[in-house]
Amino acid sequence: GENVEQHPSTLSVQEGDSAVIKCTYSDSASNYFPWYKQELGKGPQLIIDIRSNVGEKKDQRIAVTLNKTAKHFSLHITETQPEDSAVYFCAAQNNNNDMRFGAGTRLTVKP
Amino acid sequence: DGGITQSPKYLFRKEGQNVTLSCEQNLNHDAMYWYRQDPGQGLRLIYYSQIVNDFQKGDIAEGYSVSREKKESFPLTVTSAQKNPTAFYLCASSFLNTEAFFGQGTRLTVV
Repeated sequence: GENVEQHPSTLSVQEGDSAVIKCTYSDSASNYFPWYKQELGKGPQLIIDIRSNVGEKKDQRIAVTLNKTAKHFSLHITETQPEDSAVYFCAAQNNNNDMRFGAGTRLTVKP
Repeated sequence: DGGITQSPKYLFRKEGQNVTLSCEQNLNHDAMYWYRQDPGQGLRLIYYSQIVNDFQKGDIAEGYSVSREKKESFPLTVTSAQKNPTAFYLCASSFLNTEAFFGQGTRLTVV
């Protein structure tokens, strides 16, 4: 089955700096790559997603890039704010709706 | 309101007992999922279902069982065969190959 690896496990940045989280996947059949943000005690919420026919997608301060050949995708957050502090998860899904998650990155944005 | 609802929020189980976690959605989603989250760790897939009366095992299905008799409902039973059931359990649903919406989770504790 699919194996998703995510790095780093923790990330601390100064407010206003950028944050980058990277993921790799193993199953070449995966074609949908969402990113989720989880706040303490709550379920994850989607922040951005990308499909395999697209190389990059941007939504205000958040962007995601995908390299299908290398099987890796990354989340970029610019101009970070304290409210961006949370745990972020990447995921990879195939056409059978088998969705696997990375281990998560705890992002801390220091004011 | 449309959404996905998990109940109860907190659940205590004695060793050797089976317990069932409820997950209901009124989003008309085809796919439903169960994940387990341990402290400081990622989401591990227990079971998922693409359609009524059909479901597939994830990475850690041993000691768990599910049913999908109705499109709206995907209950998870944690059996006595699950040796370390204390965890945060998350249910999610989605249309095929699109954004998954998560419930607020059930925290299960063995006492």
